[in-house]
Amino acid sequence: GQQLNQSPQSMFIQEGEDVSMNCTSSSIFNTWLWYKQDPGEGPVLLIALYKAGELTSNGRLTAQFGITRKDSFLNISASIPSDVGIYFCAGRTGANSKLTFGKGITLSVRP
Amino acid sequence: GAGVSQSPSNKVTEKGKDVELRCDPISGHTALYWYRQSLGQGLEFLIYFQGNSAPDKSGLPSDRFSAERTGGSVSTLTIQRTQQEDSAVYLCASSETGVGEKLFFGSGTQLSVL
Repeated sequence: GQQLNQSPQSMFIQEGEDVSMNCTSSSIFNTWLWYKQDPGEGPVLLIALYKAGELTSNGRLTAQFGITRKDSFLNISASIPSDVGIYFCAGRTGANSKLTFGKGITLSVRP
Repeated sequence: GAGVSQSPSNKVTEKGKDVELRCDPISGHTALYWYRQSLGQGLEFLIYFQGNSAPDKSGLPSDRFSAERTGGSVSTLTIQRTQQEDSAVYLCASSETGVGEKLFFGSGTQLSVL
């Protein structure tokens, strides 16, 4: 089945730094979504991407739908302490397919 | 309501007991999903409801797990004869239309089986 690969499992950065996270697959996806999960909460949608090459921003967040349609990345610029959490990528391969989630990357931000 | 609501937020039970977890989706959302998240793990798909169609149960880990959705709205996930490995956060999500649309998650139910 389709799998989404996110690595490393954890990332540690200094406040103010930029960070980039990748999500890759061996399958072609036609939708990519990025979610953030705060402790004790459900994941919240950050950015949705629907076209290959699409670049979308949401405040300090920028995400891109890879040209090959097999990857996506999320950039966070000028990180702040509240950026800590688990970042999940999710995607679907077709109009009637369920979302597949990556295992997530836990981000820690040192003040 | 404004968001997906799940209850209880925490549930502690003894091994062998049955538990019921409830999900109230966003009003008007036709699709409802259950996921399980074990400590430090990703989101494991359990079951999916879409309108009046037969649910997609392909993710249920055993026949001890079942779910129903009454009146196209509220859903209940039931775990019978709970085991310690069932301990996890159970997340419910809903979306406006069918598979693959943007999901909106509840805060989850933390289940602990002693």
